[in-house]
Amino acid sequence: DTEVTQTPKHLVMGMTNKKSLKCEQHMGHRAMYWYKQKAKKPPELMFVYSYEKLSINESVPSRFSPECPNSSLLNLHLHALQPEDSALYLCASSQDAVAGGSYNEQFFGPGTRLTVL
Amino acid sequence: RKEVEQDPGPFNVPEGATVAFNCTYSNSASQSFFWYRQDCRKEPKLLMSVYSSGNEDGRFTAQLNRASQYISLLIRDSKLSDSATYLCVVTVIYNQGGKLIFGQGTELSVKP
Repeated sequence: DTEVTQTPKHLVMGMTNKKSLKCEQHMGHRAMYWYKQKAKKPPELMFVYSYEKLSINESVPSRFSPECPNSSLLNLHLHALQPEDSALYLCASSQDAVAGGSYNEQFFGPGTRLTVL
Repeated sequence: RKEVEQDPGPFNVPEGATVAFNCTYSNSASQSFFWYRQDCRKEPKLLMSVYSSGNEDGRFTAQLNRASQYISLLIRDSKLSDSATYLCVVTVIYNQGGKLIFGQGTELSVKP
């Protein structure tokens, strides 16, 4: 099973709302990632979790708060977002975050399309 | 200078054509190399990993030249279904973990 699932598929929220994005993988991967992608641009890395610990935060504003409850799950908590945060949010996983070669092959979920009003 | 640079595209080719994408990367510490494909409004999907010895998967051939920091993807006998954006991706490993660095993508449109 090489599937990464994400919920919800679409989310519309106001600037004062609090919502969460969820990601799940059952491939036994030990690294999980959040990316943000705007139209016609490549994905931009936000966070890396390695063995359930946050290992990389790409200077993401604190209104985005990641959480890794266990090795299969990754959440992204959203609070007080701005309209410019509207984007496709992608979750990905790989066997490992540090080892090279095929261990870095990342598999992406279908994404959550977020609109902030 | 961008860390990963690709042909800007778009490439518009007829069915059956052979098309080549080129990519260069600036960080000599890059460790892993990939081509991903992304369809409109979908997630990126791994097309193939790229090795120094070169690798082939059906109509797709990828090459890596570490000395020149250059990666290529060749698509032979292109199909309508090959229409997508092709992303050149390298991994740089830091102490904290590895990061995928994406090129800007090259859009391919295969016409009947």
